[in-house]
Amino acid sequence: DADVTQTPRNRITKTGKRIMLECSQTKGHDRMYWYRQDPGLGLRLIYYSFDVKDINKGEISDGYSVSRQAQAKFSLSLESAIPNQTALYFCATSDGTGREQYFGPGTRLTVT
Amino acid sequence: AQKVTQAQTEISVVEKEDVTLDCVYETRDTTYYLFWYKQPPSGELVFLIRRNSFDEQNEISGRYSWNFQKSTSSFNFTITASQVVDSAVYFCALSVNPVSSGSARQLTFGSGTQLTVLP
Repeated sequence: DADVTQTPRNRITKTGKRIMLECSQTKGHDRMYWYRQDPGLGLRLIYYSFDVKDINKGEISDGYSVSRQAQAKFSLSLESAIPNQTALYFCATSDGTGREQYFGPGTRLTVT
Repeated sequence: AQKVTQAQTEISVVEKEDVTLDCVYETRDTTYYLFWYKQPPSGELVFLIRRNSFDEQNEISGRYSWNFQKSTSSFNFTITASQVVDSAVYFCALSVNPVSSGSARQLTFGSGTQLTVLP
Protein backbone atom coordinates (compact mmCIF):
# COMPACT_ATOMS: atom_id res chain seq x y z
CA ASP A 1 0.00 0.00 0.00
CA ALA A 2 1.15 3.54 -0.73
CA ASP A 3 2.67 5.46 2.16
CA VAL A 4 1.02 8.74 1.16
CA THR A 5 -2.46 8.69 -0.35
CA GLN A 6 -4.57 11.47 -1.77
CA THR A 7 -8.28 11.56 -2.45
CA PRO A 8 -9.80 12.24 -4.85
CA ARG A 9 -7.28 11.62 -7.63
CA ASN A 10 -9.25 13.64 -10.11
CA ARG A 11 -11.96 16.21 -9.57
CA ILE A 12 -13.90 18.56 -11.78
CA THR A 13 -15.85 21.28 -10.02
CA LYS A 14 -17.55 24.55 -10.81
CA THR A 15 -16.60 28.08 -9.92
CA GLY A 16 -17.77 29.03 -6.45
CA LYS A 17 -18.01 25.50 -5.09
CA ARG A 18 -16.28 24.44 -1.91
CA ILE A 19 -13.96 21.51 -2.32
CA MET A 20 -11.72 19.51 -0.01
CA LEU A 21 -8.68 17.49 -0.96
CA GLU A 22 -7.55 14.89 1.54
CA CYS A 23 -4.17 13.43 2.32
CA SER A 24 -3.31 10.48 4.55
CA GLN A 25 0.04 8.97 5.41
CA THR A 26 1.23 5.81 7.09
CA LYS A 27 4.87 6.83 7.48
CA GLY A 28 4.41 8.17 10.99
CA HIS A 29 5.83 11.54 9.99
CA ASP A 30 5.00 14.73 11.87
CA ARG A 31 5.50 17.10 8.96
CA MET A 32 3.03 17.42 6.12
CA TYR A 33 2.88 19.75 3.14
CA TRP A 34 0.57 20.80 0.34
CA TYR A 35 2.00 21.87 -3.01
CA ARG A 36 0.47 23.06 -6.22
CA GLN A 37 1.92 22.37 -9.67
CA ASP A 38 1.20 24.54 -12.67
CA PRO A 39 2.70 23.96 -16.12
CA GLY A 40 6.07 25.65 -16.44
CA LEU A 41 6.19 26.71 -12.79
CA GLY A 42 7.30 23.62 -10.91
CA LEU A 43 5.76 22.96 -7.50
CA ARG A 44 4.93 25.76 -5.10
CA LEU A 45 4.19 25.41 -1.40
CA ILE A 46 0.66 26.26 -0.23
CA TYR A 47 0.67 25.27 3.46
CA TYR A 48 2.72 23.12 5.79
CA SER A 49 2.27 21.64 9.24
CA PHE A 50 4.88 20.42 11.69
CA ASP A 51 2.38 18.73 13.98
CA VAL A 52 -1.33 18.65 14.74
CA LYS A 53 -1.27 22.06 16.45
CA ASP A 54 0.99 23.76 13.96
CA ILE A 55 -0.16 25.25 10.65
CA ASN A 56 1.91 27.60 8.51
CA LYS A 57 1.33 29.47 5.28
CA GLY A 58 3.53 28.78 2.34
CA GLU A 59 4.31 30.80 -0.76
CA ILE A 60 0.79 30.79 -2.24
CA SER A 61 -1.78 30.33 0.55
CA ASP A 62 -4.38 32.87 -0.61
CA GLY A 63 -7.67 31.19 -1.47
CA TYR A 64 -6.81 28.01 0.45
CA SER A 65 -7.20 26.72 3.97
CA VAL A 66 -6.01 23.54 5.66
CA SER A 67 -6.89 21.30 8.54
CA ARG A 68 -4.61 18.85 10.36
CA GLN A 69 -7.14 16.45 11.79
CA ALA A 70 -4.56 13.98 13.09
CA GLN A 71 -0.90 13.24 12.69
CA ALA A 72 -1.72 11.15 9.65
CA LYS A 73 -4.27 13.44 7.97
CA PHE A 74 -3.89 16.85 6.35
CA SER A 75 -6.71 18.33 4.27
CA LEU A 76 -6.65 21.23 1.83
CA SER A 77 -9.82 23.24 1.21
CA LEU A 78 -10.82 25.67 -1.48
CA GLU A 79 -13.68 27.64 0.06
CA SER A 80 -14.86 29.10 -3.24
CA ALA A 81 -13.06 27.55 -6.18
CA ILE A 82 -12.00 29.70 -9.12
CA PRO A 83 -10.69 28.64 -12.55
CA ASN A 84 -7.10 29.70 -11.88
CA GLN A 85 -6.97 27.12 -9.10
CA THR A 86 -7.03 24.46 -11.78
CA ALA A 87 -3.79 22.57 -11.14
CA LEU A 88 -2.17 19.37 -9.94
CA TYR A 89 -2.00 19.24 -6.15
CA PHE A 90 0.52 17.21 -4.21
CA CYS A 91 0.66 16.28 -0.57
CA ALA A 92 4.01 15.38 0.98
CA THR A 93 5.38 14.24 4.34
CA SER A 94 8.77 14.32 6.00
CA ASP A 95 10.36 13.28 9.26
CA GLY A 96 11.84 15.68 11.80
CA THR A 97 14.98 16.26 9.78
CA GLY A 98 13.02 17.34 6.74
CA ARG A 99 15.85 16.06 4.56
CA GLU A 100 13.53 14.19 2.27
CA GLN A 101 9.88 14.58 1.39
CA TYR A 102 7.65 11.73 0.31
CA PHE A 103 5.00 12.72 -2.18
CA GLY A 104 1.50 11.43 -2.73
CA PRO A 105 0.28 10.56 -6.22
CA GLY A 106 -1.32 13.95 -6.79
CA THR A 107 -4.86 15.24 -7.28
CA ARG A 108 -5.77 16.75 -10.62
CA LEU A 109 -8.31 19.52 -10.00
CA THR A 110 -10.21 21.31 -12.73
CA VAL A 111 -12.40 24.31 -11.94
CA THR A 112 -14.78 25.25 -14.74
CA ALA B 1 15.81 33.45 -0.58
CA GLN B 2 16.41 30.28 -2.50
CA LYS B 3 16.10 29.81 -6.21
CA VAL B 4 16.46 26.92 -8.62
CA THR B 5 16.82 27.50 -12.34
CA GLN B 6 16.31 24.88 -15.01
CA ALA B 7 16.96 26.86 -18.15
CA GLN B 8 16.06 24.02 -20.51
CA THR B 9 12.30 23.99 -20.83
CA GLU B 10 12.17 21.15 -23.34
CA ILE B 11 14.74 18.74 -24.72
CA SER B 12 14.20 16.20 -27.45
CA VAL B 13 16.69 13.42 -28.23
CA VAL B 14 16.72 10.22 -30.20
CA GLU B 15 16.89 6.96 -28.33
CA LYS B 16 20.41 5.91 -27.26
CA GLU B 17 21.70 9.46 -27.23
CA ASP B 18 23.15 10.87 -24.01
CA VAL B 19 21.40 13.88 -22.56
CA THR B 20 22.28 16.30 -19.75
CA LEU B 21 19.72 18.27 -17.80
CA ASP B 22 21.04 21.44 -16.23
CA CYS B 23 20.24 22.77 -12.76
CA VAL B 24 21.63 25.95 -11.22
CA TYR B 25 20.73 26.93 -7.67
CA GLU B 26 21.05 29.99 -5.46
CA THR B 27 21.26 30.02 -1.69
CA ARG B 28 23.26 31.78 1.00
CA ASP B 29 23.17 28.75 3.24
CA THR B 30 26.20 26.55 3.53
CA THR B 31 24.11 23.53 4.50
CA TYR B 32 21.54 22.41 1.99
CA TYR B 33 20.22 19.46 0.06
CA LEU B 34 19.69 19.10 -3.66
CA PHE B 35 17.25 16.71 -5.25
CA TRP B 36 16.15 15.42 -8.62
CA TYR B 37 12.64 14.12 -9.22
CA LYS B 38 11.12 12.51 -12.29
CA GLN B 39 7.50 13.08 -13.25
CA PRO B 40 6.33 10.63 -15.92
CA PRO B 41 3.18 11.28 -17.95
CA SER B 42 1.13 9.53 -15.26
CA GLY B 43 1.85 12.52 -13.00
CA GLU B 44 3.42 11.10 -9.87
CA LEU B 45 6.75 12.39 -8.57
CA VAL B 46 9.53 9.83 -8.45
CA PHE B 47 12.50 10.57 -6.21
CA LEU B 48 15.82 10.04 -8.00
CA ILE B 49 18.59 11.39 -5.79
CA ARG B 50 19.43 13.57 -2.80
CA ARG B 51 22.84 15.19 -2.34
CA ASN B 52 23.95 17.25 0.64
CA SER B 53 26.11 20.32 0.28
CA PHE B 54 29.14 18.72 1.89
CA ASP B 55 29.33 15.86 -0.53
CA GLU B 56 30.59 16.90 -3.91
CA GLN B 57 31.29 13.39 -5.13
CA ASN B 58 29.64 12.62 -8.41
CA GLU B 59 27.25 9.71 -8.38
CA ILE B 60 26.35 7.10 -10.92
CA SER B 61 23.33 4.84 -10.77
CA GLY B 62 22.96 2.68 -13.83
CA ARG B 63 22.38 4.98 -16.79
CA TYR B 64 21.95 8.00 -14.51
CA SER B 65 24.76 10.19 -13.24
CA TRP B 66 24.89 13.45 -11.36
CA ASN B 67 27.57 16.13 -11.38
CA PHE B 68 27.53 18.44 -8.34
CA GLN B 69 29.80 21.49 -8.53
CA LYS B 70 29.58 23.99 -5.68
CA SER B 71 31.93 26.37 -7.48
CA THR B 72 29.32 26.93 -10.17
CA SER B 73 26.24 26.17 -8.00
CA SER B 74 25.20 23.47 -10.39
CA PHE B 75 23.79 19.99 -9.99
CA ASN B 76 23.46 18.52 -13.47
CA PHE B 77 21.86 15.21 -14.36
CA THR B 78 22.99 13.03 -17.27
CA ILE B 79 21.13 10.10 -18.77
CA THR B 80 23.36 7.82 -20.79
CA ALA B 81 21.93 5.84 -23.70
CA SER B 82 18.49 7.35 -23.28
CA GLN B 83 15.38 5.24 -23.68
CA VAL B 84 11.80 6.09 -24.58
CA VAL B 85 10.78 5.30 -20.99
CA ASP B 86 12.98 8.18 -19.84
CA SER B 87 10.50 10.62 -21.38
CA ALA B 88 9.21 12.70 -18.49
CA VAL B 89 9.46 16.06 -16.78
CA TYR B 90 12.50 16.27 -14.53
CA PHE B 91 12.62 18.62 -11.56
CA CYS B 92 15.60 19.84 -9.62
CA ALA B 93 14.88 21.04 -6.07
CA LEU B 94 16.70 22.67 -3.17
CA SER B 95 16.14 22.39 0.58
CA VAL B 96 17.98 24.62 3.06
CA ASN B 97 18.58 24.66 6.78
CA PRO B 98 15.31 25.81 8.40
CA VAL B 99 17.10 27.54 11.29
CA SER B 100 19.02 29.88 9.07
CA SER B 101 16.24 30.36 6.58
CA GLY B 102 13.68 31.13 9.28
CA SER B 103 11.21 28.77 7.73
CA ALA B 104 10.42 25.14 7.28
CA ARG B 105 12.67 22.91 5.29
CA GLN B 106 10.37 23.05 2.34
CA LEU B 107 11.56 22.31 -1.13
CA THR B 108 12.14 25.02 -3.69
CA PHE B 109 11.59 23.54 -7.13
CA GLY B 110 12.85 24.53 -10.51
CA SER B 111 10.32 24.88 -13.30
CA GLY B 112 11.21 21.50 -14.75
CA THR B 113 12.63 20.18 -18.01
CA GLN B 114 10.41 18.18 -20.34
CA LEU B 115 12.52 15.42 -21.85
CA THR B 116 11.22 13.59 -24.89
CA VAL B 117 13.10 10.55 -26.13
CA LEU B 118 12.13 9.59 -29.64
CA PRO B 119 12.35 6.00 -30.86
